[in-house]
Amino acid sequence: DIVVTQSPDSLAVSLGETATINCKSSQSVLYSSNNKNYLAWYQQMPGQPPKLLIYWASTRESGVPDRFSGSGSGTDFTLTITGLQAEDVAVYYCQHYFGTPYSFGQGTKLEIK
Amino acid sequence: QITLKESGPMLVKSTQTLTLTCTFSGFSFDTSGVAVGWIRQPPGKALEWLALIYWDDDKRYSPSLKTRLSITKDTSKNQVVLDMTNMDPADTGTYYCAYIGAVRHWFDPWGQGTLVTVSS
Repeated sequence: DIVVTQSPDSLAVSLGETATINCKSSQSVLYSSNNKNYLAWYQQMPGQPPKLLIYWASTRESGVPDRFSGSGSGTDFTLTITGLQAEDVAVYYCQHYFGTPYSFGQGTKLEIK
Repeated sequence: QITLKESGPMLVKSTQTLTLTCTFSGFSFDTSGVAVGWIRQPPGKALEWLALIYWDDDKRYSPSLKTRLSITKDTSKNQVVLDMTNMDPADTGTYYCAYIGAVRHWFDPWGQGTLVTVSS
């Protein structure tokens, strides 16, 4: 089973600065036949369900601001938020969908410094 | 527009069986490749995938909870039901159902979730 681990557990960044969240899978989630990484990123506001931000590791969901970007391949991935805004305060999760059992990272809590 | 909504008891006792229903609209299990999953979240903790049911009735479960879970679908009612046996206070949390599309293999959208508290 694939285990997904995020770092850091929490992060404080000043407004307008860049936040970087890392996600590492215990085995590659890159499917060689289509060269796609089976990894998604979600944002969860307090009291709300998770909201999809990024899929295929780097494709931004429609309507998601372009300050959110995903990168990485194989086992190491990054969510980058450039020009941090107050409304970006949330918990961020990565999730692999490279076959069941699916798993989520433990979450990264992003706060304003 | 795809929507999902969870329903079920807010409070259950230890050792009881929890039955949750996910009622959806905007898609059908007649569409090849679609699926509905259940994910839970203890208060202040991370998301945990529980179970998944595909359009063709293929069912998948979390290995750690497999013996306690059963997922079914009722296509006539546009519902997916999750049963979890032998509930424990550690099972307290918000339970979400979410959609997986035929070519969109991630969870989107999600229901609003339902908070289940297990009393001892």
